[in-house]
Amino acid sequence: NAGVMQNPRHLVRRRGQEARLRCSPMKGHSHVYWYRQLPEEGLKFMVYLQKENIIDESGMPKERFSAEFPKEGPSILRIQQVVRGDSAAYFCASSTLGVNTEAFFGQGTRLTVV
Amino acid sequence: SQQGEEDPQALSIQEGENATMNCSYKTSINNLQWYRQNSGRGLVHLILIRSNEREKHSGRLRVTLDTSKKSSSLLITASRAADTASYFCATDDNTDKLIFGTGTRLQVFP
Repeated sequence: NAGVMQNPRHLVRRRGQEARLRCSPMKGHSHVYWYRQLPEEGLKFMVYLQKENIIDESGMPKERFSAEFPKEGPSILRIQQVVRGDSAAYFCASSTLGVNTEAFFGQGTRLTVV
Repeated sequence: SQQGEEDPQALSIQEGENATMNCSYKTSINNLQWYRQNSGRGLVHLILIRSNEREKHSGRLRVTLDTSKKSSSLLITASRAADTASYFCATDDNTDKLIFGTGTRLQVFP
């Protein structure tokens, strides 16, 4: 059973371009969380999704950021018109039953905006 | 918003010593979890302790939870160089998501 897979591991974008980050949860997991981490800081919650539904997006900026978790395929975190401040590590986690169970994390995508 | 605050922010010890990290949180919780993060990697789950539990053990790890003080501690006994990492507590904040603290950076010297 493969773990949570995130790709790409590293992504470089110029200002104004779009960034698409992918996350395939562990098999059997229907709960997906996205977090953002700046160097030397903790993880900041962005969005919580279940299949085809956004459950909680309170941590995600209202503009330029969107997330989806379709019935088939990986969860996607999309950042439009990236700016330098979007540079960070973005982690995805999945779990079987949500917040009361262990969350399994991917290795993250490191986004650099130049 | 940040829920948990770890203390200390950084800790340096020698191999064989014990390491204690503390976490304080603000609201009522259903459970509290501890995770480890090696530099540049994803987080690895260590222990989950429920709000009705006071202490839990896993190998060299011991976690306590005091809901009256809204605090938890993680004790690593007989530390090893491989324990060098950042350690985060996370709580459910009585909501549907895990909220992470700011982390303790542990350095274990051989």
